[in-house]
Amino acid sequence: EVQILESGGGLVQPGGSLRLSCVASGFTFSRYVMGWVRQAPGKGLEWLSSIGGGAGTTYYADSVKGRFTNSRDNSKNTIYLQMHSLRVEDAAVYYCAKARHGGSYRDPDNWGQGTLVTVSS
Amino acid sequence: FMLTQPHSVSESPGKTVTISCTRSSGTIASNYVQWYQQRPGSAPTTVIYEDDQRPSGVPDRFSGSIDFSSNSASLTISGLRTEDEADYYCQSYDSTIWVFGGGTKLTVL
Repeated sequence: EVQILESGGGLVQPGGSLRLSCVASGFTFSRYVMGWVRQAPGKGLEWLSSIGGGAGTTYYADSVKGRFTNSRDNSKNTIYLQMHSLRVEDAAVYYCAKARHGGSYRDPDNWGQGTLVTVSS
Repeated sequence: FMLTQPHSVSESPGKTVTISCTRSSGTIASNYVQWYQQRPGSAPTTVIYEDDQRPSGVPDRFSGSIDFSSNSASLTISGLRTEDEADYYCQSYDSTIWVFGGGTKLTVL
């Protein structure tokens, strides 16, 4: 059974930094693209970043490019989202998701339960 | 490209409802479309993938299709139940980017 668990959310001041973690199990982690998606309160889903399974090639939405860094440690079945220069509009539930097919960036199938990031002074 | 969904739909228990997802540019058939259900306070779960495929465990009351003439995908839920009340998101991809529709709130009155 695939399990995905995010952690690291919390309250941070505008301009601050936070690192989210996502640990996964139940599949061959290193073979799969993993992604981050967020959902602001009362809003829809917004893709932020994806990272390839092997070499870990990363892609970012324009809204976070240059501020967020997606990385992975396949030995720990974990991906990370390092967030800098946080803004009030970054406040959201952050989800980690596994791509449906190994090696493909096409679409997510399994999602974690999310971790809440609050940006406020 | 963008995916546009109606903001909300409502229907009675036992009836059938269809939620549309219109692609703004490019052909709807160019890339598979997925549908996710999100109940309040929960993470999204897949109800349809690759246009019309149902994951195991999803009842056959849920079906997906694409329409070339309107350049859109549709999620149809038949025999509506109160537990189907949720937000539904369509999703496709542009190379390595996951593109989501704005979501449709389904109310089962």
